[in-house]
Amino acid sequence: DAGVIQSPRHEVTEMGQEVTLRCKPISGHDYLFWYRQTMMRGLELLIYFNNNVPIDDSGMPEDRFSAKMPNASFSTLKIQPSEPRDSAVYFCASSSWGHGNGAFFGQGTRLTVV
Amino acid sequence: KNEVEQSPQNLTAQEGEFITINCSYSVGISALHWLQQHPGGGIVSLFMLSSGKKKHGRLIATINIQEKHSSLHITASHPRDSAVYICAVSSPYNTDKLIFGTGTRLQVFP
Repeated sequence: DAGVIQSPRHEVTEMGQEVTLRCKPISGHDYLFWYRQTMMRGLELLIYFNNNVPIDDSGMPEDRFSAKMPNASFSTLKIQPSEPRDSAVYFCASSSWGHGNGAFFGQGTRLTVV
Repeated sequence: KNEVEQSPQNLTAQEGEFITINCSYSVGISALHWLQQHPGGGIVSLFMLSSGKKKHGRLIATINIQEKHSSLHITASHPRDSAVYICAVSSPYNTDKLIFGTGTRLQVFP
């Protein structure tokens, strides 16, 4: 398996634009996590899914953020409209049995909003 | 005050040295995780432990539940160990939600 695949690896966009980050989890994993990493706050959980269903989105900062998982092999994190403070590295991770069995992280998407 | 504190924030060592990174937490937990983030950004899960000690190669992780403290040790350190090491804890009420420390940046020089 190629591991968790995120795209794009880097994204630069202007303030106010819509940004869509994509994630393909490891086949067979039933948990998918979206994290954000910044220098100031470190890693933070944004939302996670179990069997394609959002379980906890309490970490999603604002209504500008939304996440979907239409099927077991694909998830998106959308920011609309984007703001400079959204600049961060966004990680997707997948696992079987939640974090109780360890999780596998993607390489991350570095988002810069100018 | 952060719920998960790591020390030191930065650490430099010479190749071959024994390294210890500490993690203290202030909440009840079901498990503690150690992760490694390489300079390229990739994150790897190293350990998950809820008691005692675990060993994998040159890495050893220990946890003291009563003292709410964990340590990650690296024996015979090598430049390829240079990375950020992140401690995270999961709640007894939701084992899938992790609370992260801010990480310890380790640099090992040859």
